[in-house]
Amino acid sequence: GIQVEQSPPDLILQEGANSTLRCNFSDSVNNLQWFHQNPWGQLINLFYIPSGTKQNGRLSATTVATERYSLLYISSSQTTDSGVYFCAVNGGTSYGKLTFGQGTILTVHP
Amino acid sequence: DTGVSQDPRHKITKRGQNVTFRCDPISEHNRLYWYRQTLGQGPEFLTYFQNEAQLEKSRLLSDRFSAERPKGSFSTLEIQRTEQGDSAMYLCASSLTTEAFFGQGTRLTVV
Repeated sequence: GIQVEQSPPDLILQEGANSTLRCNFSDSVNNLQWFHQNPWGQLINLFYIPSGTKQNGRLSATTVATERYSLLYISSSQTTDSGVYFCAVNGGTSYGKLTFGQGTILTVHP
Repeated sequence: DTGVSQDPRHKITKRGQNVTFRCDPISEHNRLYWYRQTLGQGPEFLTYFQNEAQLEKSRLLSDRFSAERPKGSFSTLEIQRTEQGDSAMYLCASSLTTEAFFGQGTRLTVV
């Protein structure tokens, strides 16, 4: 099956810093989503981005499907950005089953 | 709130007991998925329903696990004869096309 690798595994920032999270995948995809898992365990949708670039406030994402990677940018980080960020892909199944990466643990200090 | 809803949020059970979790998807979403997440890992796919039909089950879903989605609305996931290795977060998601939306999860602890 499709493999998903996220980097870095851990990231520690001071409030106000910028960061880039990376997601590499091993095969073509027809869906790619970025999630933020809050401290209570819920996965919050950040971006649905199988290709192209999107922006939402301080967050933006770019997926280059032909090169099999996606990037999540966080600018002017805040302590509330702390948590685990997951990339998940659908490797071509007809019904949208997602394969997740191992996640990036982000800690933002005040 | 019209998001995916899961119940209970937390469950502590003794080894050997049966447990059942419920998921209410976003209304009109015909696709429903169950995932399991253990500590430090990303969620892993368990099973998929389209309407009331269960169309795929992962090898992670042993014979002690059963899932249903009667009438294509809510879904239940039952674990029989729980084991300590079943301790995990159980996540439900629903979708209309390919973008999935997740519930808050049910955290199961088997003691």
